[in-house]
Amino acid sequence: ETGVTQTPRHLVMGMTNKKSLKCEQHLGHNAMYWYKQSAKKPLELMFVYSLEERVENNSVPSRFSPECPNSSHLFLHLHTLQPEDSALYLCASSQVGGADTQYFGPGTRLTVL
Amino acid sequence: KQEVTQIPAALSVPEGENLVLNCSFTDSAIYNLQWFRQDPGKGLTSLLLIQSSQREQTSGRLNASLDKSSGRSTLYIAASQPGDSATYLCAVNGETSYDKVIFGPGTSLSVIP
Repeated sequence: ETGVTQTPRHLVMGMTNKKSLKCEQHLGHNAMYWYKQSAKKPLELMFVYSLEERVENNSVPSRFSPECPNSSHLFLHLHTLQPEDSALYLCASSQVGGADTQYFGPGTRLTVL
Repeated sequence: KQEVTQIPAALSVPEGENLVLNCSFTDSAIYNLQWFRQDPGKGLTSLLLIQSSQREQTSGRLNASLDKSSGRSTLYIAASQPGDSATYLCAVNGETSYDKVIFGPGTSLSVIP
């Protein structure tokens, strides 16, 4: 256990569904991250929240919408996804200004039909 | 644009061997570099973090080195064990520590008993 939990662990959704991924960190960190890991591709950073402010990667489609209500929780809202969005979505947290080491959750395996 | 590569893509060694994994990056203006381990179907586990001002970090049988000027890092694993079998990823952070995290494609390691 790394102190970062993600739910659900597996999700299957249709292209017209709306769903949300949840991440919670119990480490007292002040930065949280969403990553996407597709088959046979390097891990990609999607979004960063630091001190509850968003640093956004502009190449992420608007069908992915992050939300960080507080420093311990991070959501990724999904809407009208495409089959190519099927991937492992990983959440991480770190202490910016501190050790900087990122701690990762187990991920959510998303399949879009 | 920062690019991260890892060589080899896959490696199979007998138990007990010492081995070296390589990571190269094109832009030397990094804040830090981190090595991760990923087991199949699981999230990432942080192994070692090297700040840009450091040359190496050690943890148990692992030693990571960083040469910013040449854009290289190596992960040395001593006396490999079957439990070391996993994919090893390196990731570089941009100059503000979190604004751009770029991962390499990983090296898949198999340690044969």
